[in-house]
Amino acid sequence: DGGITQSPKYLFRKEGQNVTLSCEQNLNHDAMYWYRQDPGQGLRLIYYSQIVNDFQKGDIAEGYSVSREKKESFPLTVTSAQKNPTAFYLCASSMSVSQPQHFGDGTRLSIL
Amino acid sequence: QKEVEQNSGPLSVPEGAIASLNCTYSDRGSQSFFWYRQYSGKSPELIMSIYSNGDKEDGRFTAQLNKASQYVSLLIRDSQPSDSATYLCAVNNRERSGGYQKVTFGTGTKLQVIP
Repeated sequence: DGGITQSPKYLFRKEGQNVTLSCEQNLNHDAMYWYRQDPGQGLRLIYYSQIVNDFQKGDIAEGYSVSREKKESFPLTVTSAQKNPTAFYLCASSMSVSQPQHFGDGTRLSIL
Repeated sequence: QKEVEQNSGPLSVPEGAIASLNCTYSDRGSQSFFWYRQYSGKSPELIMSIYSNGDKEDGRFTAQLNKASQYVSLLIRDSQPSDSATYLCAVNNRERSGGYQKVTFGTGTKLQVIP
């Protein structure tokens, strides 16, 4: 089945540690996105990529980094500089920015 | 002014009634508009896309777009308890710097359908 796979489903981070969240899609979509959602809040855009080897900062990029070396993959690294990383992280993809996005099941990140 | 605004609710409607969800946006150049449904603890799922003025119907759902007034709405007919969720409005717009297009989500309206 075509879709977006995020892993792991749950992740725990220790102080000072970088962690990487995986996002893979087999929909042949050009655009991919990372969002953060805090309890009772809307989606906030972290980074997005419209094509391979290119990405732009979203509204809350500080403390995060991404890469887009392959069309199918858009991993997100939560660095130790992100002081409040506990949240629900959602990856999405779309044919283009003007087309609807399809979401993965999300990764819940918590601090140990 | 927020780029995409929604009333957070909760909006409570009785089972079988019409639920009306509204969204306003600030970028007059926006061309693509989306409604997503998000159940608690789950990821958003697309309900409808709309790109031109007027109404677009899909089953019990109708999306309405008025670009002159910069609002988009979602009507849910014959509301069911299973429709109870948060509904997110999303609009594409251009970054103020750089000119890249991106999609901005509203904070969502929580809908409660009372049996």
